[in-house]
Amino acid sequence: DGGITQSPKYLFRKEGQNVTLSCEQNLNHDAMYWYRQDPGQGLRLIYYSQIVNDFQKGDIAEGYSVSREKKESFPLTVTSAQKNPTAFYLCASKAEKASGSYEQYFGPGTRLTVT
Amino acid sequence: QKEVEQDPGPLSVPEGAIVSLNCTYSNSAFQYFMWYRQYSRKGPELLMYTYSSGNKEDGRFTAQVDKSSKYISLFIRDSQPSDSATYLCAMRNTGRRALTFGSGTRLQVQP
Repeated sequence: DGGITQSPKYLFRKEGQNVTLSCEQNLNHDAMYWYRQDPGQGLRLIYYSQIVNDFQKGDIAEGYSVSREKKESFPLTVTSAQKNPTAFYLCASKAEKASGSYEQYFGPGTRLTVT
Repeated sequence: QKEVEQDPGPLSVPEGAIVSLNCTYSNSAFQYFMWYRQYSRKGPELLMYTYSSGNKEDGRFTAQVDKSSKYISLFIRDSQPSDSATYLCAMRNTGRRALTFGSGTRLQVQP
């Protein structure tokens, strides 16, 4: 069963702690993305990776870090430097078509609550 | 001003109604336009994908893009209670690798 998995579904942490969110895909997609979703604000891009061992900052990268050591995996670390980490985090991967178009597919998300 | 504007709703309609969802945007370089459906506490799923201007139909769903007005629409015919969800528009230009999203419109279809 192909797709994108994110774990855990719900995550609770104390302020000041780093936390790592998992994202795995078995779709053989090269590109992967992390978005953050807050109520009324839509999705905002945190980081993205076009290929293994390479990644770029998105619009709101401060306080986050990523790694891309394997094609299938793109974990996101929310550091203690992130001022407002409580949010719904979505991982996505991209299927590029020969025409140059592409479709982006999302995982089920991880809801992080920091108190 | 946001690059992509979308009315947050909620939009409440009776079952069987035709639903119209819309987004406006300011970046004339956007070429690819998408609509995603997101159920509560789930990841978005791709509904429709359109390149440049024009219409695209898939079952009960029709996507329209009017680049001259910087306006995109999603129409849902014969709406069902199972269509109740948040609908997100998304778009990108050929140079940017990621999508720019609207904030989403919450739709409720009453049985």
